[in-house]
Amino acid sequence: QVQLVESGGGLVKPGGSLRLSCAASGFTFSNYYMSWIRQAPGKGLEWVSYISSTTETIYYADSVKGRFTISRDNAKNSLYLQMSGLRAEDTAVYYCARAPESLEWLLYFDHWGQGTLVTVSS
Amino acid sequence: QSVLTQPPSASGTPGQRVTISCSGSSSNIGTNTVNWYQQLPGTAPKLLIYSNNQRPSGVPDRFSGSKSGTSASLAISGLQSEDEADYYCAAWHDSLNGPVFGGGTKLTVL
Repeated sequence: QVQLVESGGGLVKPGGSLRLSCAASGFTFSNYYMSWIRQAPGKGLEWVSYISSTTETIYYADSVKGRFTISRDNAKNSLYLQMSGLRAEDTAVYYCARAPESLEWLLYFDHWGQGTLVTVSS
Repeated sequence: QSVLTQPPSASGTPGQRVTISCSGSSSNIGTNTVNWYQQLPGTAPKLLIYSNNQRPSGVPDRFSGSKSGTSASLAISGLQSEDEADYYCAAWHDSLNGPVFGGGTKLTVL
């Protein structure tokens, strides 16, 4: 069965960096677009970033552009999010999610990980 | 302030039919498909409806989606206590080059 397991979250000071990982199993990872989505405590969902199956297409939300970098290693079935210049407002649970459609106008997320909490605080 | 607008709360009694609305614009719902996610307390979101009205396998047919113009709706019939959750709509937003979510609707089963 499809499994997505995030790791790498934790407490970091403002301005600091953190690298999140998402280990995928149960499907052919290299065939799928992937995304990071976050949820601040008690708040709604916010899309963060999106990467195509072969990395030729990458998008970021304006709120993280220039600070976060999404990447993937298809040989290791893994998705990453390198976060730098972290701010208090980046505090959230970060989910990785699989996107079964390559056409953007059809985009949806059919499997989600359990999430990893990132807390930015001094 | 979310790009897609949902009512913050909704409620119903067991067996009732409840609808949750999602309002957008020509840049998102008006030109792209709408998806709905269910988030039970303390868990990750789960895909409920995709491509406006398609149910993934395993989702009961009590859940249905529709779209008209720049708005969409999620209907839940035969409401059950386990339906108590947060519901989010989402759609691709053309000028933002990414998907946008509604603010979420907390459904309470009375």
